[in-house]
Amino acid sequence: RKEVEQDPGPFNVPEGATVAFNCTYSNSASQSFFWYRQDCRKEPKLLMSVYSSGNEDGRFTAQLNRASQYISLLIRDSKLSDSATYLCVVKGFQKLVFGTGTRLLVSP
Amino acid sequence: GAVVSQHPSWVICKSGTSVKIECRSLDFQATTMFWYRQFPKQSLMLMATSNEGSKATYEQGVEKDKFLINHASLTLSTLTVTSAHPEDSSFYICSARGGTLDTGELFFGEGSRLTVL
Repeated sequence: RKEVEQDPGPFNVPEGATVAFNCTYSNSASQSFFWYRQDCRKEPKLLMSVYSSGNEDGRFTAQLNRASQYISLLIRDSKLSDSATYLCVVKGFQKLVFGTGTRLLVSP
Repeated sequence: GAVVSQHPSWVICKSGTSVKIECRSLDFQATTMFWYRQFPKQSLMLMATSNEGSKATYEQGVEKDKFLINHASLTLSTLTVTSAHPEDSSFYICSARGGTLDTGELFFGEGSRLTVL
């Protein structure tokens, strides 16, 4: 079983739609969780950290469920510019483990 | 945010040659740098972790004699792919953490796309 698993997608949604991604992780001792965004042929960039109480940043909401060992990312009012691959990242003792990413395509 | 610069962005080389990729933290001192490799449609795979002034720690399955990592200063780490072969063609990305306010966030370089002919 992979340490971090994501549905690779692609998720095809129209502008303005709400879309949600889930990610599961296998190591119950994982300490920190993040969502990164990666555009095609570019480096990943931190989108947001994920806190136990859940957190929101504009149109983006992240949640963590430690009991079920999954994190989620909700994007409201999708924009064309949201098209990218979203990487779920889990931090263990000292290193980050990346999921394969979920590809999102937002169409006009 | 902090800036990490990676060079070169693109490199094409012949099989059997060596290629050096540089990773620089421009506005902070990076106590730790990480090197990742990403094949098409796959996740980033950590290759090695390097701390300034000490030997790099390689992940299982990564040949340390093939992927030479040097972290001689707090702002520069280099990855040298020795005797490159077509299967080494990939996207190599460095990241760094550190600075006076180390939150644990990683800052990524722009990546280096290596094509071995």
